[in-house]
Amino acid sequence: QSALTQPPSASGSPGQSVTISCTGTSSDVGGYNFVSWYQQHPGKAPKLMIYEVNKRPSGVPDRFSGSKSGNTASLTVSGLQAEDEADYYCSSYAGGNNLGVFGGGTKLTVL
Amino acid sequence: EVQLVESGGDLVQPGGSLRLSCAASGFRFIDHWMHWVRQAPGKGLVWVSRINSDGSDTSYADSVKGRFTTSRDTARDTVYLQMSSLRVEDTAVYYCARGGHYNNDPNDYWGPGTLVTVSA
Repeated sequence: QSALTQPPSASGSPGQSVTISCTGTSSDVGGYNFVSWYQQHPGKAPKLMIYEVNKRPSGVPDRFSGSKSGNTASLTVSGLQAEDEADYYCSSYAGGNNLGVFGGGTKLTVL
Repeated sequence: EVQLVESGGDLVQPGGSLRLSCAASGFRFIDHWMHWVRQAPGKGLVWVSRINSDGSDTSYADSVKGRFTTSRDTARDTVYLQMSSLRVEDTAVYYCARGGHYNNDPNDYWGPGTLVTVSA
């Protein structure tokens, strides 16, 4: 399985919105509604932010939202805050009992 | 409270072996698939392996197939990653992550990770 494609970096000012894309194929992102997004601060473990394309686990602010169109999923962070500065990774189920696949990660900078 | 704690990371020479453990608590262990994900220094996340809830089925990344083995002990609520024929490129932080009841469920809890360094 090839990694999903994410932009290496994204940025926005406090209060603004930023969208991070995640492009796969019809065998992963496009084929299933099982896309997740993880936030990772330096030196910390990843944290689940979005699952099943657009669902938020308990405790995740509603400033975080997800969507999908075709083979591309997106994470939008609205009302950017300083603590949102982190690396973000998308992942997708890839069918059957296979391992999933991650994106290469996007470093979000809050200016 | 759900907790996952990895252990076993160390400095090992190329060609050597190591066994990582992940002790789980705070949830019904036998109901959940478990995953190992690694992150090389300064790089992204990469799935290494996963094991289903009863331990009867495993999957591995092509890069570790034939060298790594995942298993679980339901009596100890622990999942293991046995690594052999280690290579320099296996150097990474290894995370244990909880899956759901199915392979397509997200990884909702992660351990803090354990560092494996492969170097002469």
